[in-house]
This record gives sequence, structure tokens and C-alpha cells, in this order.
Amino acid sequence: DAMVIQNPRYQVTQFGKPVTLSCSQTLNHNVMYWYQQKSSQAPKLLFHYYDKDFNNEADTPDNFQSRRPNTSFCFLDIRSPGLGDAAMYLCATSGTGREQFFGPGTRLTVL
Amino acid sequence: QKEVEQNSGPLSVPEGAIASLNCTYSDRGSQSFFWYRQYSGKSPELIMFIYSNGDKEDGRFTAQLNKASQYVSLLIRDSQPSDSATYLCAVRDSSASKIIFGSGTRLSIRP
Repeated sequence: DAMVIQNPRYQVTQFGKPVTLSCSQTLNHNVMYWYQQKSSQAPKLLFHYYDKDFNNEADTPDNFQSRRPNTSFCFLDIRSPGLGDAAMYLCATSGTGREQFFGPGTRLTVL
Repeated sequence: QKEVEQNSGPLSVPEGAIASLNCTYSDRGSQSFFWYRQYSGKSPELIMFIYSNGDKEDGRFTAQLNKASQYVSLLIRDSQPSDSATYLCAVRDSSASKIIFGSGTRLSIRP
């Protein structure tokens, strides 16, 4: 089945230790998004790629970076995770249609 | 600042009744509107989308859109305990390839 895959599903890191989350898709969608979601809050858009064009939200901290080496893969790098970065990280995609589809998410714990 | 507003709830509805969820948005140019269901600890799942004024029905779900009033709603008929979840209203930004989410309404179906 065509889908959005995120790895790992659970990630534990130490304060200040860099971490990379990955997302892949078999939908051949041209837009990929990274969201951060904390408990009882709406998903917060961090950035998105329209093909290779990178779009950063104005309030996304510099601590967060992203890479999209090809259509299928996108990575979220957190350079120096703090306790406040503990959250669910959601990858989503959209194609020629207007709908957006989410992966299962990665739950990040910072110790 | 473009916004999507929802009542956070919780909204408690007896099993078998109709659940009515409401949402208003500020971006008058928006053309695409979505409802996502999110179970605790899971990622959002797209359940309905609507692009034209009026009603759109899919099984037990009906989405209603009124662009003049900047209002979108979701009706769930014959509510089941499995419908208990947080429902996120989302609106596509008219000037960017991204979706703006509301903070969600928590729905509880009581047996």
C-alpha cells in the first residue's frame, strides 16, 4: 500500500545529543511537511518542501533543520535537543490533490 | 495571523446520537477544508474534505461549509464509542502550500 513511513516510532535522546528523524513516502507526492505536536495542542508546522524548495516557518527554532535528498525521503535534524523539544513529530505529504496525509509519527523523549 | 478556531470541548454525546463539531476560520481566500480524527498517541487521520459550499456526505459523516460565514462543521450520525477522539479542523492557506490546524475538539461518546 502507498503510504507515509516514519522511523523510528520512538526515539529517546539525551539533552544536547543530536538526533535525526526520518520520513519516507511511496505516494510520489511533491510536498512534504514536518510538524511538532505536543500534548493537547494542534500540530505546529516546522517547515515544508515543495519539491526541493525549502520553506521555513518564521518561528521554527534554528535548532531544527531538514533535508530532502530526493522525492521519497525527508529528514528532521534536531541539533541540540532540549527538554522542551520532547513531542510527537509528524511527517505529512500532499500531491496534486489538496489533501494532506500523515505518517504514524515519531515520539521523541529527551532525558 | 491566519487562524482556525474550535471549541476544545470535551463534547459528550450519547451513543447513537448526532455529534456536531464546529470550526471558524479567518482566511477568507481559503478554498479547501479538512477534518482529521486523532486518537490519543496516534497521528491525525483524514476523514473528510470539502471544497464547495453546502454539504458533503460520506457514510455517517457529513461536512458542511459556509464560505460567506467562514464556517465549517462536521456531523457524525449514529455516534459510536469508537468515534471518541480529538477532531482537528484544518484549512488550506490561500497564499501558501500549507494547512492551518485548529487546536481540536475532544469528543467523548458515552454508552
